[in-house]
Amino acid sequence: AQKVTQAQTEISVVEKEDVTLDCVYETRDTTYYLFWYKQPPSGELVFLIRRNSFDEQNEISGRYSWNFQKSTSSFNFTITASQVVDSAVYFCALSEGRSSGSARQLTFGSGTQLTVLP
Amino acid sequence: NAGVTQTPKFQVLKTGQSMTLQCAQDMNHEYMSWYRQDPGMGLRLIHYSVGAGITDQGEVPNGYNVSRSTTEDFPLRLLSAAPSQTSVYFCASSYRRGTSTDTQYFGPGTRLTVL
Repeated sequence: AQKVTQAQTEISVVEKEDVTLDCVYETRDTTYYLFWYKQPPSGELVFLIRRNSFDEQNEISGRYSWNFQKSTSSFNFTITASQVVDSAVYFCALSEGRSSGSARQLTFGSGTQLTVLP
Repeated sequence: NAGVTQTPKFQVLKTGQSMTLQCAQDMNHEYMSWYRQDPGMGLRLIHYSVGAGITDQGEVPNGYNVSRSTTEDFPLRLLSAAPSQTSVYFCASSYRRGTSTDTQYFGPGTRLTVL
């Protein structure tokens, strides 16, 4: 069975601070995919990144960066120089790498509410 | 492209009523799914479909039915609404490509309250 744990329920930072959101996952599959989604106050789910289990390179996109470490089963998300607009709930999710339909099921963590104060 | 659309955005039902949440996508995606979001629990899969005429159950299917008569539409039916079904419902779709698991894109959600 798959499991995603986001231990940080709520985080509050002051604008321009860096913040890291933790994600720890469990899976028995050797091939899998990891995702981060952002849910702003308006409620929609916005895709941020997808990572497959064979690619452990860290990725940077503007102020966002992701650190994938298979050795610790973690896929952490860092926002550099946070802004008020970054305030949202962030979800980490996992899916298996098989081609069958059930493999596309996303297992979500419970989310981290990030509040960036001006 | 409109992407994934859901209607209605808000709905209030009384216990025992039935209704259908609509979901449509115009991206020719083969895979569609329904999730519910409850406070502190992330999103959980209700039902999914890998193509027209094919559906299967997810983690929390009880009390819900689905059908997939076309590639574009994937309605979710609540047979007899219960207060435990008060939640935000998201529809998602993704394109099926061989052995690759593709990114699921989500609709704007339907906020359902059952009194």
